Amino acid sequence: DAKTTQPNSMESNEEEPVHLPCNHSTISGTDYIHWYRQLPSQGPEYVIHGLTSNVNNRMASLAIAEDRKSSTLILHRATLRDAAVYYCILRDPGAAGANSKLTFGKGITLSVRP
Amino acid sequence: NAGVTQTPKFRILKIGQSMTLQCTQDMNHNYMYWYRQDPGMGLKLIYYSVGAGITDKGEVPNGYNVSRSTTEDFPLRLELAAPSQTSVYFCAGRGVDSPLHFGNGTRLTVT
Repeated sequence: DAKTTQPNSMESNEEEPVHLPCNHSTISGTDYIHWYRQLPSQGPEYVIHGLTSNVNNRMASLAIAEDRKSSTLILHRATLRDAAVYYCILRDPGAAGANSKLTFGKGITLSVRP
Repeated sequence: NAGVTQTPKFRILKIGQSMTLQCTQDMNHNYMYWYRQDPGMGLKLIYYSVGAGITDKGEVPNGYNVSRSTTEDFPLRLELAAPSQTSVYFCAGRGVDSPLHFGNGTRLTVT
């Protein structure tokens, strides 16, 4: 499986932008980059995903490096409710069998200071 | 549309007891997954299924069993509970082109 690496933790101030990095140097050409977040005492929830181009949705933006070996999740204005663990995972939508398993690392723990 | 539903929410087991964690989804997901999350740690994949009748081991399958007799249900069985199985268990499902949808988790304590 192609793996991702993320820093253990990051801090941000409320209402400032946050850039959460993810490295995936062994990404394959068919892997999509997915981000999930887990709020305290809840199950993870989907944030955003992309393949090559930068992506925006109501929750965040995803910036993907030209060589696709890294990506950055951007929260444009952090709020206290954004304090969570953020996971970056790779997923090949055409994967079958054993390649369908999805594994998560430890993620980045984001703290937001008021 | 309830999504992915897990029961029970909490459970305390004695060492050696058995139990089944239930997971059901109403989104017609082909793919379903069981994860465990120990305190302060990330998610570890226990078992997964790519469709009814098909299951496979994840990263930490020892001590667990699963079945997938229908598309909707993916129960996780603990046969001989051990303290090392104290954790929060999450079930998730997805379609071919859709993101993972997680349940709210089952918090299990084995004493």
